[in-house]
Amino acid sequence: EAQVTQNPRYLITVTGKKLTVTCSQNMNHEYMSWYRQDPGLGLRQIYYSMNVEVTDKGDVPEGYKVSRKEKRNFPLILESPSPNQTSLYFCASSLGTSGRTDTQYFGPGTRLTVL
Amino acid sequence: DQQVKQNSPSLSVQEGRISILNCDYTNSMFDYFLWYKKYPAEGPTFLISISSIKDKNEDGRFTVFLNKSAKHLSLHIVPSQPGDSAVYFCAADTGNQFYFGTGTSLTVIP
Repeated sequence: EAQVTQNPRYLITVTGKKLTVTCSQNMNHEYMSWYRQDPGLGLRQIYYSMNVEVTDKGDVPEGYKVSRKEKRNFPLILESPSPNQTSLYFCASSLGTSGRTDTQYFGPGTRLTVL
Repeated sequence: DQQVKQNSPSLSVQEGRISILNCDYTNSMFDYFLWYKKYPAEGPTFLISISSIKDKNEDGRFTVFLNKSAKHLSLHIVPSQPGDSAVYFCAADTGNQFYFGTGTSLTVIP
């Protein structure tokens, strides 16, 4: 089944404790991206990757890191989480071969709470 | 600053009637737009898209209209069904970045 998977689905942590949210897709997509969803703000793009080893900042990259060492995986790293990073996070992927991001397929989301 | 705006946080419609969801954008460089639907506890799923070279795109019960001069797009759902109850996001695609609106929660009343 074609899908984007994220782990963990739920995470409660404390300020300053490094964490990684994994994202994997099995569709051989070039483009991958991370978003956060907050009430009243919709979905905001954190980072995106057009291809392996190519990543770039989205709208709200502060406090986050990403890496794209393999095509299928795009982990989101919070080196020192803070309470304002409490949010619902989505990973997404798309073909992107034409240079367009086009239709994205989203993972189920990761609910992160930073105390 | 929000470049894609959905000014109606919620909308209620009777089953069988038309649902019209609106979206405005500020950046005239946006040339591709999409609508996504989101159910609780799930990721958004793609619904329909439109390129800026068109002013209308249809897919079954869903039609998206684009008015470039007004920087406005709308999603029409006809007829509305209870299963359409969800949050709808419009999005603008620049080719490498996405900008989403804040979402409109649609409730279709049986």
